[in-house]
Amino acid sequence: AQSVTQLDSQVPVFEEAPVELRCNYSSSVSVYLFWYVQYPNQGLQLLLKYLSGSTLVKGINGFEAEFNKSQTSFHLRKPSVHISDTAEYFCAVAERNKLTFGTGTQLKVEL
Amino acid sequence: EAGVAQSPRYKIIEKRQSVAFWCNPISGHATLYWYQQILGQGPKLLIQFQNNGVVDDSQLPKDRFSAERLKGVDSTLKIQPAKLEDSAVYLCASRPSGANVLTFGAGSRLTVL
Repeated sequence: AQSVTQLDSQVPVFEEAPVELRCNYSSSVSVYLFWYVQYPNQGLQLLLKYLSGSTLVKGINGFEAEFNKSQTSFHLRKPSVHISDTAEYFCAVAERNKLTFGTGTQLKVEL
Repeated sequence: EAGVAQSPRYKIIEKRQSVAFWCNPISGHATLYWYQQILGQGPKLLIQFQNNGVVDDSQLPKDRFSAERLKGVDSTLKIQPAKLEDSAVYLCASRPSGANVLTFGAGSRLTVL
């Protein structure tokens, strides 16, 4: 069965600093990988996805992620964060159309 | 296009009472999902529908939870009787056939007192 581990429950960072949110997955078959963002009292919004092809995936709001098959990782990065990036970020893995989420990382951007 | 609609947005009930949540997916989306998101945790799949048939309900507590998707469009998730640990946000999502990306609604927040 697939699973997702998000190693950091909270990540504080100053505005305009770079950030990396870590995600590791396990699966017995080829998978699709996703990052979703959740703002307070809202549903989940897709940031980016890896389905196949280039291992570096670019998403909305300046985020990108790199798929590393050997390390079974899909870390999310942004070179310069903004206050508006404060939210909960979820990594997810899809296997046979079943989406499994990690426990989430709370990104808090401070001035 | 219109997004996934959910109602009510907020509901407060006493334990042992019943509650129902409604979801209207994006038009044409054949697959519909209900997820439970407990505070501080990631969303957990409760049930997945393909049109009006159930694909996966392995994590649905069937002694108290039920869901249906009549006519393969709207869906209702019911909890009866509710327990304190059912306090959570219930997220509905939908996906068109052949696609890999789910679109989520804003969720229904349930508080059980």
